[in-house]
Amino acid sequence: AQSVTQLGSHVSVSEGALVLLRCNYSSSVPPYLFWYVQYPNQGLQLLLKYTSAATLVKGINGFEAEFKKSETSFHLTKPSAHMSDAAEYFCAVSGRNSGNTPLVFGKGTRLSVIA
Amino acid sequence: GAVVSQHPSRVICKSGTSVKIECRSLDFQATTMFWYRQFPKKSLMLMATSNEGSKATYEQGVEKDKFLINHASLTLSTLTVTSAHPEDSSFYICSARSTGRKDEQFFGPGTRLTVL
Repeated sequence: AQSVTQLGSHVSVSEGALVLLRCNYSSSVPPYLFWYVQYPNQGLQLLLKYTSAATLVKGINGFEAEFKKSETSFHLTKPSAHMSDAAEYFCAVSGRNSGNTPLVFGKGTRLSVIA
Repeated sequence: GAVVSQHPSRVICKSGTSVKIECRSLDFQATTMFWYRQFPKKSLMLMATSNEGSKATYEQGVEKDKFLINHASLTLSTLTVTSAHPEDSSFYICSARSTGRKDEQFFGPGTRLTVL
């Protein structure tokens, strides 16, 4: 079984400041981990994913995340926030080599960027 | 590549009517599609897993007779909300997993259902 905990339902940062969105996971099998972004009334867009290659994963729009097995974490970061980064962010986990298992999502973190 | 479409994007219907939502994988084959429901300011809740050519697997608490899922081909799954009621109003999102790549799901843009 898998689960995801996103710490902080709402994060607010100033434009140009560091973005850090926290995600901890629980998985009984080696995980695949994902970060998705959702803009209002839209579907989910994949930011990045960890699938057992490099533990530091670079994604789109300047985001990156580091898989830390010892901490069961997959935090999302971006060095400098932009106004266009304001959105809802979801961390998700699935089991590696699990065939047709679905993604399990965290509750999401809403990122606000202040000018 | 890996585009998933949903139709319609928005639908408003009267209470008691049925609504069908289509989910299509446009440039890949998907033996498995997933249907999620998202309440306002909430996360995605998995409703069911749809496998091509077989019955869908519903999550606990999801009424299979109310939310009918059909996955008749490798590129199309449909969700029919039968006898819709205002509490069924929600954002419905599908995703599809490519037969060749099991490490990622591709999401549709979602369908906003409003039941009056």
